[in-house]
Amino acid sequence: QVQVVQSGAEVKKPGASVKVSCKGSGYTFTSYSIHWLRQAPGQRLEWMGWINTGNGNTIYSQNFQGRVTITRDTSASTAYMELSSLRSEDTAVYYCARFRRTNYFDYWGQGTLVTVSS
Amino acid sequence: QSVLTQPPSVSAAPGQKVTISCSGSSSNTGNHYVSWYQQFPGTAPKLLIYDNNKRPSGIPDRFSGSKSGTSATLGITRLQTGDEADYYCGTWDSSLSAVVFGGGTKLTVL
Repeated sequence: QVQVVQSGAEVKKPGASVKVSCKGSGYTFTSYSIHWLRQAPGQRLEWMGWINTGNGNTIYSQNFQGRVTITRDTSASTAYMELSSLRSEDTAVYYCARFRRTNYFDYWGQGTLVTVSS
Repeated sequence: QSVLTQPPSVSAAPGQKVTISCSGSSSNTGNHYVSWYQQFPGTAPKLLIYDNNKRPSGIPDRFSGSKSGTSATLGITRLQTGDEADYYCGTWDSSLSAVVFGGGTKLTVL
């Protein structure tokens, strides 16, 4: 069965970077793009960007341009999202999700809480 | 400020029907498929409706989706207390070149 599993919670200081992993299993990893989203406490879902797991091409939201880097390791069927220059407003649950061609997410990771605090 | 507009909350009694609206523009809902997600506190969103009105396997037919022009609607019939959750609509926005979501609607089953 299809599963998307993320790495565990992180606590970071302001100015640091965080890297979250997202492992896909039960399907051909390189056949579906992986997107990253986040949700601050009590807030809406916010899209961050995505990676074409086949060729590694990426597109990022303007809101995170310059601070976010999405990569993948096809041998490990894993995608990564690194966010730099962290600030308190980046405290949120970060999700990865498998994306389907008609614009929907069919499988989601369980979420990774990133807390930014001095 | 969300690109897609949803009511912050809706409520209805068990057994009744409720609808949740999602209003956008020609760059998003007007020209792209809309999907809907259900989210319980502390858990990841779950796909409820895709391609405007299709249900994934395992989603009961109490949940339905529709779209007209730049507005989409999620309908839930025969409400159950277990349906209490936040509901989000989402789609692609070709002007922003980004996936966009509504602000979410909290459903209360009284």
